[in-house]
Amino acid sequence: AQSVAQPEDQVNVAEGNPLTVKCTYSVSGNPYLFWYVQYPNRGLQFLLKYITGDNLVKGSYGFEAEFNKSQTSFHLKKPSALVSDSALYFCAVRDAWSNYQLIWGAGTKLIIKP
Amino acid sequence: DAGVIQSPRHEVTEMGQEVTLRCKPISGHNSLFWYRQTMMRGLELLIYFNNNVPIDDSGMPEDRFSAKMPNASFSTLKIQPSEPRDSAVYFCASRGQGKETQYFGPGTRLLVL
Repeated sequence: AQSVAQPEDQVNVAEGNPLTVKCTYSVSGNPYLFWYVQYPNRGLQFLLKYITGDNLVKGSYGFEAEFNKSQTSFHLKKPSALVSDSALYFCAVRDAWSNYQLIWGAGTKLIIKP
Repeated sequence: DAGVIQSPRHEVTEMGQEVTLRCKPISGHNSLFWYRQTMMRGLELLIYFNNNVPIDDSGMPEDRFSAKMPNASFSTLKIQPSEPRDSAVYFCASRGQGKETQYFGPGTRLLVL
């Protein structure tokens, strides 16, 4: 079965430290992977995606993600966390049998402490 | 460039009332999605339109829910009659032709009392 797992409900990081939000997936064929961020009482904002090409993808707000095919992972990273990065982060993978259906992770709450 | 626009942003209604949520996709986008977000079930795709035609409505919970897209710049999601378990945040998203990324609106927070 196709799935996305975000193993951590919450991640706590001190401001200025590097952050990682984990995502693993299970999907047939080549994965199309996405990260979105949701701030309180806001919609989901697109951060970055991996379709093909370089395994390290750079996105908005200084975020990047590394696609690792052997580990079926797509972890979100940032070298130096800001308090304003505190939000809910969602990983998603496109359903291999659909050109529109996304399979969503449960979300990870990121808390950056000053 | 304006993003996806949704209205109202908040809706409080009583059980049994009709609720209509509205969405204006990004200009030029030809795919439109309606999602529901709850704590228990996360993000659920309710319905997907392509070129104003409903392609997949398998996520629509039951007959009380209906969605329309009369033209490329407007869609509605209607709940009639509403029930307390419909309380959730409803998102609309759109996507350009041949593109992969969905862009979300700010959502409508619905509370059914």
